[in-house]
Amino acid sequence: DGGITQSPKYLFRKEGQNVTLSCEQNLNHDAMYWYRQDPGQGLRLIYYSQIVNDFQKGDIAEGYSVSREKKESFPLTVTSAQKNPTAFYLCASSTRDRGPGYTFGSGTRLTVV
Amino acid sequence: QQQVKQSPQSLIVQKGGISIINCAYENTAFDYFPWYQQFPGKGPALLIAIRPDVSEKKEGRFTISFNKSAKQFSLHIMDSQPGDSATYFCAVSGAGSYQLTFGKGTKLSVIP
Repeated sequence: DGGITQSPKYLFRKEGQNVTLSCEQNLNHDAMYWYRQDPGQGLRLIYYSQIVNDFQKGDIAEGYSVSREKKESFPLTVTSAQKNPTAFYLCASSTRDRGPGYTFGSGTRLTVV
Repeated sequence: QQQVKQSPQSLIVQKGGISIINCAYENTAFDYFPWYQQFPGKGPALLIAIRPDVSEKKEGRFTISFNKSAKQFSLHIMDSQPGDSATYFCAVSGAGSYQLTFGKGTKLSVIP
């Protein structure tokens, strides 16, 4: 079955450490996205990529970095520069025809301890 | 500038009642209007979507009503059930664009 896989589901990080969240899709979608979700804040766009080896900052990119070396993969690194990284992180993908809209992963809950 | 405004932020409905969530947008170039449903600890999933050539689309108990002149669209959940308790997001997208812009979400609670 085609889908989008995020791992791990839960992640704990010590302050000052970088951590990388994985996102893999086998839907052959061109575009991929990272969102951050906090209670009452909705979905806030961190980074997006419409093509391999190219990506753009979203609304809250500070303290985050991404890469898009393969069409299937769009990992997100939460760096030590992100002051409040505890949140629920969602990855999504989409195609230009937008028939099914975005497909979301099941999310990674990151907690800084 | 918020491109899509969603209301209410939260909604409590009695079982069997009608839940109504509204969204308003500014840009008349938007041409795709989906609604997503998210359960706690899960990613959002596409619930229903409409394009501006129709004023209403119905799938089971879920209906989108679209008012192009008012630049508004709404989600109606008929015969609301406790299993419908979730957060609902509206979104908009323009022609030729990959990207969706989401509303801030509505937390729906259906009480027995």
